[in-house]
Amino acid sequence: DTEVTQTPKHLVMGMTNKKSLKCEQHMGHRAMYWYKQKAKKPPELMFVYSYEKLSINESVPSRFSPECPNSSLLNLHLHALQPEDSALYLCASSQEGAGGNTIYFGEGSWLTVV
Amino acid sequence: AQSVAQPEDQVNVAEGNPLTVKCTYSVSGNPYLFWYVQYPNRGLQFLLKYITGDNLVKGSYGFEAEFNKSQTSFHLKKPSALVSDSALYFCAVRDGSGGYNKLIFGAGTRLAVHP
Repeated sequence: DTEVTQTPKHLVMGMTNKKSLKCEQHMGHRAMYWYKQKAKKPPELMFVYSYEKLSINESVPSRFSPECPNSSLLNLHLHALQPEDSALYLCASSQEGAGGNTIYFGEGSWLTVV
Repeated sequence: AQSVAQPEDQVNVAEGNPLTVKCTYSVSGNPYLFWYVQYPNRGLQFLLKYITGDNLVKGSYGFEAEFNKSQTSFHLKKPSALVSDSALYFCAVRDGSGGYNKLIFGAGTRLAVHP
């Protein structure tokens, strides 16, 4: 069972709306991630937070704005999205540091932009 | 750059037969390799990983994977397939450049187990 919890599971939003995706983990992990996954494609990394600081931004458009309020929470703020942004958004977490730490994923938030 | 390849879009297996899902990798340095499974409309579930040590890695749900350095492969296997194993399987390699933990995924292989 995943210990990364994402809300909401489904979200439909208009192109002028502002909404947020939320993610929470209680495994004591210090790295958290946002991935985007289109249908039948592999996940693509968007952002990495390490110790609550943004470490990697994979050239994601500014209409996606991540936020890490504390070590357990990760948000993704959405504004002025396009229909092509419709996808499954996956949050994940792992222990920090070198080596092959396992990245654990949540169930995802299905986003539809209309 | 680190990469993995999954040469098969789909693998079809009869229930009870052994299954293999293939993965090859290209890395600089020591590879950290992972397998994840994704059931329909769900997130990714971790199955197993190879970091170092024994080339045969055992994971969840009866799956195992064999690391082969000479063939740069990390194939996922199960001795006896179940219909419930039908899902999308992703091989991934860790890209630790910059000091951060980042997974590079293969394109995925759809496993269909038929009764």
